[in-house]
Amino acid sequence: QKEVEQNSGPLSVPEGAIASLNCTYSDRVSQSFFWYRQYSGKSPELIMSIYSNGDKEDGRFTAQLNKASQYVSLLIRDSQPSDSATYLCAVNWSNYQLIWGAGTKLIIKP
Amino acid sequence: SQTIHQWPATLVQPVGSPLSLECTVEGTSNPNLYWYRQAAGRGLQLLFYSVGIGQISSEVPQNLSASRPQDRQFILSSKKLLLSDSGFYLCAWTVRVAQTYEQYFGPGTRLTVT
Repeated sequence: QKEVEQNSGPLSVPEGAIASLNCTYSDRVSQSFFWYRQYSGKSPELIMSIYSNGDKEDGRFTAQLNKASQYVSLLIRDSQPSDSATYLCAVNWSNYQLIWGAGTKLIIKP
Repeated sequence: SQTIHQWPATLVQPVGSPLSLECTVEGTSNPNLYWYRQAAGRGLQLLFYSVGIGQISSEVPQNLSASRPQDRQFILSSKKLLLSDSGFYLCAWTVRVAQTYEQYFGPGTRLTVT
């Protein structure tokens, strides 16, 4: 059974702090990992993708991948109230399909 | 640039009524297309995906069906809706990036079955 696990939250973080979101996956052969942001009532939006072990930075976002431990994380620096959303982790299963976590709700408190 | 359209944006239907949701993609050819459903407060459930015209793979046995009559058109249907069909229906497509595929979503259709 291929699974992606995320803490459902809510994760509450003060404005300006670092928000850390984590995701673990079960399929060792997975090669591509994605973070999506979903605002309430809206469709998911791809914000980060990572394929190699280590860190990948894009603005205030950093994705971290550790294939040996089978986890991927997303760090959001200088958190803003507009970062309040549900963050979905997805892992490729094949060229055609992703396995999705249930999402972590993030709340940034002003 | 590529864009994806879904309609309608919201829909309220009685139990037992039929359903037809449409998704079209612009700016690309032969995309992989997907239908997902998201129940309130839940994750994404893959319903169907298609790698080409007339090619449909079903992931979850249910009273829904999908069709792909044209290269960039994907339709989700039901003959008789159930209360459990309520949810947020999302169409997605993939674009090849380096050694993988990235998925992008349309705006979604919020369906309430009453």
